[in-house]
Amino acid sequence: NAGVTQTPKFRVLKTGQSMTLLCAQDMNHEYMYWYRQDPGMGLRLIHYSVGEGTTAKGEVPDGYNVSRLKKQNFLLGLESAAPSQTSVYFCASRTHLSTEAFFGQGTRLTVV
Amino acid sequence: AQSVTQPDIHITVSEGASLELRCNYSYGATPYLFWYVQSPGQGLQLLLKYFSGDTLVQGIKGFEAEFKRSQSSFNLRKPSVHWSDAAEYFCAVGAGDYKLSFGAGTTVTVRA
Repeated sequence: NAGVTQTPKFRVLKTGQSMTLLCAQDMNHEYMYWYRQDPGMGLRLIHYSVGEGTTAKGEVPDGYNVSRLKKQNFLLGLESAAPSQTSVYFCASRTHLSTEAFFGQGTRLTVV
Repeated sequence: AQSVTQPDIHITVSEGASLELRCNYSYGATPYLFWYVQSPGQGLQLLLKYFSGDTLVQGIKGFEAEFKRSQSSFNLRKPSVHWSDAAEYFCAVGAGDYKLSFGAGTTVTVRA
């Protein structure tokens, strides 16, 4: 079972560059989330989606955009990367029938 | 909004000894509570969860947690730690909306 797959796993960006992180889930889950993990701060919610075509802001949305054009995919975009966005990014998904979330393996992003 | 506090940043325990990780939450109603484990370079794996009912919850890998409403706590315990339990542990709280809030995490080191 693939579960939640994140692409890429590692990336180094220069300040000002743009990129898109892809999250794909094969469990037909309605809800999808993007978190960032920073030392000593746990996971903080960036954006989330409760269904295809819908997105909402989380705790730390500034500098990020998202799209959910297909139910199985949730894209996180950085239009102009900043060093403060150096972090490990996790995608998660869950069904609307359960509060248990399934996580991807993470994307380690470094902005120099 | 809900929040989670994990008071211990780092705990070192001898193999075979018992382990207790503390978690305190803030939420106005009965929350959904979770413990996740993250091994180095990996995603998050659910250890156990509490929704309602019996306040002592059993999870995978020999872990258990006890929900204490009067103390707003959900502490994680394991009677005898194995070297493979060295990891970072996150407590999380979910509410009536769609989002999970995570604590900052506790890193567990197991010494031989």
